[in-house]
Amino acid sequence: GAVVSQHPSRVICKSGTSVKIECRSLDFQATTMFWYRQFPKQSLMLMATSNEGSKATYEQGVEKDKFLINHASLTLSTLTVTSAHPEDSSFYICSARDRGVGTEAFFGQGTRLTVV
Amino acid sequence: DAKTTQPNSMESNEEEPVHLPCNHSTISGTDYIHWYRQLPSQGPEYVIHGLTSNVNNRMASLAIAEDRKSSTLILHRATLRDAAVYYCILRPHGSGNTGKLIFGQGTTLQVKP
Repeated sequence: GAVVSQHPSRVICKSGTSVKIECRSLDFQATTMFWYRQFPKQSLMLMATSNEGSKATYEQGVEKDKFLINHASLTLSTLTVTSAHPEDSSFYICSARDRGVGTEAFFGQGTRLTVV
Repeated sequence: DAKTTQPNSMESNEEEPVHLPCNHSTISGTDYIHWYRQLPSQGPEYVIHGLTSNVNNRMASLAIAEDRKSSTLILHRATLRDAAVYYCILRPHGSGNTGKLIFGQGTTLQVKP
């Protein structure tokens, strides 16, 4: 199946700094990518829909100025957590669909963010 | 988005079949039934999806009720590697749909050796 790669897999940052997470579709083009956040023992929560070449669509309650999303190409979307705080510590997961075929979504392996 | 209801947890013995139920009584005609699973500390992975007819693939089978208000994911021989959280998700299809997936709480499957 198609591969979605996230980088980094783990990151620790100091409170007040910004962290960028990359999501790449390795062998297909993704017009749309999705960003999720998952707290321990909870389900995935959709944060935003990332559209190539246009602004992201954020879910209700997600601060667009804090979670900056850029989808500059058909194979790369980035999520930047700005001015991170300990409550932003979470597991961030991206997903993408192959615009050419199929209906299944492919997920990255996730990024464990710890803000200290 | 149409809602699904799944049991919080289930247990199975290794090498025995597992039937994971999902209720979706408010499903609409354009909703496909998708199943994903998430192993610990990993992103979810696709398992199977269907619309009306039962579906089989190398991972599992999907049995869909005639009225489409419920479905069952069937793992024919559970292995320890099948221990995961299984999510049943309704996804509308059609032009203009973004294809986003809204996850519920899922079913945590434990497989005992």
